[in-house]
Amino acid sequence: QVQLVESGGGVVQPGRSLRLSCAASGFTFSNYALHWVRQAPGKGLEWVTIISYDGSYKYYSDSVKGRFTISRDDSKNTLYLQMNSLRAEDTAVYYCARDRPTKTAVSGYLDYWGQGTLVTVSS
Amino acid sequence: EIVLTQSPATLSLSPGERGTLSCRASQSVSSYLAWYQQKPGQAPRLLIYDASNRATGIPARFSGSGSGTDFTLTISSLEPEDFAVYYCQQRINWPLTFGGGTKVEIK
Repeated sequence: QVQLVESGGGVVQPGRSLRLSCAASGFTFSNYALHWVRQAPGKGLEWVTIISYDGSYKYYSDSVKGRFTISRDDSKNTLYLQMNSLRAEDTAVYYCARDRPTKTAVSGYLDYWGQGTLVTVSS
Repeated sequence: EIVLTQSPATLSLSPGERGTLSCRASQSVSSYLAWYQQKPGQAPRLLIYDASNRATGIPARFSGSGSGTDFTLTISSLEPEDFAVYYCQQRINWPLTFGGGTKVEIK
């Protein structure tokens, strides 16, 4: 069965960096686009970024553009999110999610999600 | 970016009742809209995509409708496990955006 397991969250000071990982199993990782979505405590969902199945294109929300970088290692079936210059407003549970398969490259719908990893930015 | 507005913020219903949730987009998203369910402490689950298509394994009591700027998620007869928060999401434009959510609570 499809599994996505995030790791790497924790408490970090403002301005510092953190790298999240998402280990995937149960599907052919290299065939799928992947997303990161975050949820601040008690708040709604905010889409963060996507990477295409082959890594050739990436999109970011304006709130993280220039600070966060998404990448993937298909040999390890792992998705990453490098987060630099962290701010208090980046505090959230970060979910990785699989893009629903479609005939086109990206569907924009998220059909499987991990359980999330909590990032807390605080001094 | 496209803003999705969900209403009501909270819906108080009893098991067995019909639930009707609304999502309005700030501009047309055609039929490129999804609905997700999220229970406390859990990840979201995809229910509906392309406005009216149920995702794999989703019960038939969940149905979606609408196009353009106005969409509806209907739960025909609420089961105890359906009390949760529901989000709509558009995929016509980057960035992907979600609505603020509707909480369906037990009356």
